[in-house]
Amino acid sequence: DGGITQSPKYLFRKEGQNVTLSCEQNLNHDAMYWYRQDPGQGLRLIYYSQIVNDFQKGDIAEGYSVSREKKESFPLTVTSAQKNPTAFYLCASSPITQLNTEAFFGQGTRLTVV
Amino acid sequence: AQKVTQAQTEISVVEKEDVTLDCVYETRDTTYYLFWYKQPPSGELVFLIRRNSFDEQNEISGRYSWNFQKSTSSFNFTITASQVVDSAVYFCALSGNSGGYQKVTFGTGTKLQVIP
Repeated sequence: DGGITQSPKYLFRKEGQNVTLSCEQNLNHDAMYWYRQDPGQGLRLIYYSQIVNDFQKGDIAEGYSVSREKKESFPLTVTSAQKNPTAFYLCASSPITQLNTEAFFGQGTRLTVV
Repeated sequence: AQKVTQAQTEISVVEKEDVTLDCVYETRDTTYYLFWYKQPPSGELVFLIRRNSFDEQNEISGRYSWNFQKSTSSFNFTITASQVVDSAVYFCALSGNSGGYQKVTFGTGTKLQVIP
């Protein structure tokens, strides 16, 4: 079945460590996104990519990094520079980045810093 | 700048009651799109509806209906005869142009609990 797969579902990290969240899609979508969800704050955009080998910072990119070496993959690295990384992370994709295009979401990764 | 406000943080209704989720938005764009998504406990957001800024017709899909009023910058979502399966967090979102590129802004979500 076509869709977006995020792994792992739950992730624990010690302070000071980098950690990478995986996002894979088989929908043949050009655009991919990473959002962070915190209680009471909705979804905030971290990074997005419109095409392979290109990506742009979103509203809260500090402390995060991404790569887009393949169309189907858009991994997110949470670095030790991210001050408050505990959150729910959602990956999404869309066919193209136009105003009228809805996004398709993965089931998310819940990251906890211990 | 664009903004989406969902003032209702949590709503509880008894099964079979009707419930309306409010969404108010702000934008300077003349062309924009509004969306509603449902987030069940499993976590992923599921697309429900899209409406463009030039189409103020209300829409009904089964038990769901949407009321778009440009004059009040609102895009409200009504569930008729609610069911337990409707329990989820619902997000309203606005897609517009910001600094020359597409930007999607989400509201903070409304958690709906339908009590059997």
